[in-house]
Amino acid sequence: DGGITQSPKYLFRKEGQNVTLSCEQNLNHDAMYWYRQDPGQGLRLIYYSQIVNDFQKGDIAEGYSVSREKKESFPLTVTSAQKNPTAFYLCASSLSSGGMYEQYFGPGTRLTVT
Amino acid sequence: DAKTTQPNSMESNEEEPVHLPCNHSTISGTDYIHWYRQLPSQGPEYVIHGLTSNVNNRMASLAIAEDRKSSTLILHRATLRDAAVYYCILRDWTSGTYKYIFGTGTRLKVLA
Repeated sequence: DGGITQSPKYLFRKEGQNVTLSCEQNLNHDAMYWYRQDPGQGLRLIYYSQIVNDFQKGDIAEGYSVSREKKESFPLTVTSAQKNPTAFYLCASSLSSGGMYEQYFGPGTRLTVT
Repeated sequence: DAKTTQPNSMESNEEEPVHLPCNHSTISGTDYIHWYRQLPSQGPEYVIHGLTSNVNNRMASLAIAEDRKSSTLILHRATLRDAAVYYCILRDWTSGTYKYIFGTGTRLKVLA
């Protein structure tokens, strides 16, 4: 089955620790995205990548970092510099970054930092 | 940035049609209009998208105003499984690439 996997589904960390969220896709998509969602809110773009070895900041990139060394993988690191890291994190991909291509989303990772 | 405006919530009876509106007065000529829906604690699911003409697929229909400043997602016969938050999204061209701008969406409640 083709799709996007995110792991783990739930993640708990202590304040001050960095944590890396996994995102893998086997759809052969060039573009990948990371979004953050807070309770009752819409999605906000953290980082996106149009192609391997390239990525750009979204609207709320501060305190986050990404890498895109392989086409199928786009991990997100939540660093200790992120002031409010507790949120629902969603990864998505699309065939290309053009507007005519729909995005496919993973099931999300719920991160809780205490 | 391109923005969309949607009602916070709507209700529909089961088996009846639902029309979910979206305003996007700042849309540019090449922006596609996308709709996604999200169930609680799940990732959003693609519903439909279009540019200028009305579009139909197995899930829904998309009606786009002639001036493209508004659109309507039509669910022909609402079921309980259609209860979700529906997002109307525009592609935003920024710094030479495309981003998707999500608003807060419309929470659809389907009554049995």
